[in-house]
Amino acid sequence: EAGVAQSPRYKIIEKRQSVAFWCNPISGHATLYWYQQILGQGPKLLIQFQNNGVVDDSQLPKDRFSAERLKGVDSTLKIQPAKLEDSAVYLCASQTSGGTDTQYFGPGTRLTVL
Amino acid sequence: DAKTTQPTSMDCAEGRAANLPCNHSTISGNEYVYWYRQIHSQGPQYIIHGLKNNETNEMASLIITEDRKSSTLILPHATLRDTAVYYCIVRVEGSTLGRLYFGRGTQLTVWP
Repeated sequence: EAGVAQSPRYKIIEKRQSVAFWCNPISGHATLYWYQQILGQGPKLLIQFQNNGVVDDSQLPKDRFSAERLKGVDSTLKIQPAKLEDSAVYLCASQTSGGTDTQYFGPGTRLTVL
Repeated sequence: DAKTTQPTSMDCAEGRAANLPCNHSTISGNEYVYWYRQIHSQGPQYIIHGLKNNETNEMASLIITEDRKSSTLILPHATLRDTAVYYCIVRVEGSTLGRLYFGRGTQLTVWP
């Protein structure tokens, strides 16, 4: 079975620019997560989708971050405008449903903001 | 916030058992203990989880103390490919909120 796909794998931008990341979850997985992982720390949840609805976006900096999951499959995470502190790896994960099912993570997108 | 405490780093000789401890003294009755690991430049990978009984799968064994305040992940025969950061996570069962609270984890280094 194909895993979680993310693109691009690496991105370098200057502060105040905008950037978008794409995630394709495992087929049939209703729940999708975006996590942010700053160097030396564990991943931190940004947003959780159940199908195309938002379940939890309490940790998403909504003044600059946005995410959507049109049609309940692929998802896009956008940052506009980017700040230096947004430099991190952005991980997408999917699972079959909410609760305790296993989360499967993609390889992540490493963002560097100069 | 993470509700677990793990050592920052450990090392282990290849072929020997790696025993990774985790303290979760404030765990609630409906919270499971999960272990994930993250190999360098990859996303986290699920290893095993349990409630109160010991669990074993093809990757590892999970030993949970009777009072559930701590647990140990055991890799019975560590290989170089097991070098990774290991995260111990407690998670509520049956909630629609599926977030995983990752701490800093334990960096396990397996040496030849």
